Amino acid sequence: EAGVAQSPRYKIIEKRQSVAFWCNPISGHATLYWYQQILGQGPKLLIQFQNNGVVDDSQLPKDRFSAERLKGVDSTLKIQPAKLEDSAVYLCASRRPGTNLSYTFGSGTRLTVV
Amino acid sequence: GESVGLHLPTLSVQEGDNSIINCAYSNSASDYFIWYKQESGKGPQFIIDIRSNMDKRQGQRVTVLLNKTVKHLSLQIAATQPGDSAVYFCAETVKNTGNQFYFGTGTSLTVIP
Repeated sequence: EAGVAQSPRYKIIEKRQSVAFWCNPISGHATLYWYQQILGQGPKLLIQFQNNGVVDDSQLPKDRFSAERLKGVDSTLKIQPAKLEDSAVYLCASRRPGTNLSYTFGSGTRLTVV
Repeated sequence: GESVGLHLPTLSVQEGDNSIINCAYSNSASDYFIWYKQESGKGPQFIIDIRSNMDKRQGQRVTVLLNKTVKHLSLQIAATQPGDSAVYFCAETVKNTGNQFYFGTGTSLTVIP
């Protein structure tokens, strides 16, 4: 089974610029999550999708962050405009519906805002 | 909000010794817990899980203990190996929250050869 794919692996941008991250979950995994992991901290949930619908985006800073999963498979997370404090690793995770609640995480995109 | 914390941010052990990583959680409604291992440059990787109706679960070289009375979770790694060096997170999910996991800060485990 292929893992969760994310790209790019690294991104460096200047503050106020825009950036987008892409995630391809494991085939058949209906639930997809985006997490933000600031250095030295645990991952923090940004948004959860079930197929192409948003289940929870209560912790997404909607003034600058947006995410979509139009066809219920791939997802993109965008930041516009970026701030210095957005520097973090952005992790995508997916889960197959069923009794096993564990996620499978991708390797993440490391964003540095300068 | 949720609060999942770890007692020690760093832990160093000799190769071959047993490691114990602790975690405290605050929400008594949490009903499922996972320990994740995160190596540098990688996403968190599932190690072992436990449901709130259990107090112990064993895997290969790892054991998770759950004490609901004091809301405490621990991960025991037997015969720690250099490949076990990583950051370990406990994560909890609370009933009726869409299976969203709340992560603690993490404990960095260093295995000394």
